Formats: sequence, C-alpha cells, structure tokens
Amino acid sequence: LAKTTQPISMDSYEGQEVNITCSHNNIATNDYITWYQQFPSQGPRFIIQGYKTKVTNEVASLFIPADRKSSTLSLPRVSLSDTAVYYCLVGVYFRDAGNMLTFGGGTRLMVKP
Amino acid sequence: DGGITQSPKYLFRKEGQNVTLSCEQNLNHDAMYWYRQDPGQGLRLIYYSQIVNDFQKGDIAEGYSVSREKKESFPLTVTSAQKNPTAFYLCASSIRELVTDTQYFGPGTRLTVL
Repeated sequence: LAKTTQPISMDSYEGQEVNITCSHNNIATNDYITWYQQFPSQGPRFIIQGYKTKVTNEVASLFIPADRKSSTLSLPRVSLSDTAVYYCLVGVYFRDAGNMLTFGGGTRLMVKP
Repeated sequence: DGGITQSPKYLFRKEGQNVTLSCEQNLNHDAMYWYRQDPGQGLRLIYYSQIVNDFQKGDIAEGYSVSREKKESFPLTVTSAQKNPTAFYLCASSIRELVTDTQYFGPGTRLTVL
C-alpha cells in the first residue's frame, strides 16, 4: 500500500477555494486515489475518487498529475460546514494482513467566517 | 432505509470485562471492517471480513475478536487483553474489499473503560 503524506492542518475562510495536496511517491500502477471526509464523532464519508488527470463531482474536484505521485483535492467556495478532517487513501484491495487500507492522520480543515 | 447500524452509541465497562459491539448492515455488502479511532488521530484497522465465515487481522487486532456468521452482522468483542480499550469504534462495509468500492460507515460506538 502506497504511503500518503498530507498537511496536518489548514485554515481557510468562507467562500474561498481550498486545495489539499496528498503525496504518494510509491503509488503502484493499479492503485486508485480516494478521498474521504470526516466530521467529529462521525464515520468518514466518501468524497471523490480518481486514477489519473481530473475528476469532478458535485462536491469537489480531484487533480492528478501524469506521474501520479501526488493528488490535490479542490473544494470550491468552502463554507463553515466544510470544517472537517480530509483523508487521502491510495491502494487497491484487501487481500491479506500485509496489504491493508488505513485512514492516516488526515488534514484538519478549519473554515473561518 | 439502507445503511449500517452500530449499538450501543456509548458503552462503559469495568476493567477486566469483555464487551461486544454490534454492527449490522442491510446493504448486502460482502466486506465489513472494524476501525478504532483515538482522539485527534486517524482510523486504525482492527479486523476486516471479505465474506461470510472469513475474517482477517488488521493493524491492531491484539485484544480483539470478531465473528462473521451472517452476511449482515460483524460483531466486535473487546477482551480484557486489550490494554487500552477506551476509544471510538467505527464499523464500515463495502460491496467488495476493493478500494474502488466506497466504504460506508456506521455512527460509531464510544467505549469508555472505568
């Protein structure tokens, strides 16, 4: 499983665009990049997933450069309700104890009024 | 409504006691997972199950046990061998064990050892 590195925390203001970058230098050919969002005392929820280039849905955009060694989650015009922890996951599947998917520390986004 | 339920929401136990956390899903998912989350930390995988009657250890399985006798149920037992069990426990499920399959999480159980 490719190890991911994210900033521990970020601050933003309402209405701004927020970009959170995740580094995954050891990403494998078959690995997908997935982002989850977690609010306090709740389980994470899926935001977006991609393999290469750009993916956009109603919530966010995901930018993946050609070498796939990093990815950037873009949240347009954030609001206070976007204050949460954002996790970047990279991998393929569970097969055995040596190939597991875990949610690392994530990036704590604080949106201020 | 389809989803994952966990019970209870809050659980208190005395040291030395075993306790079982419930996790039920009606999403018809094959894969189920248990995670532990400590304050300010990420999620760590305890156990996961790819299919009924099969389960695998995660990062921190010591002191925990699970069973998967039914597709919709994946209970977690926190045994007295778990040295520091106070934490937030999250159950999740997905169609298959693939990263490309979204994991859906339950509301969590907050366990406190007195």
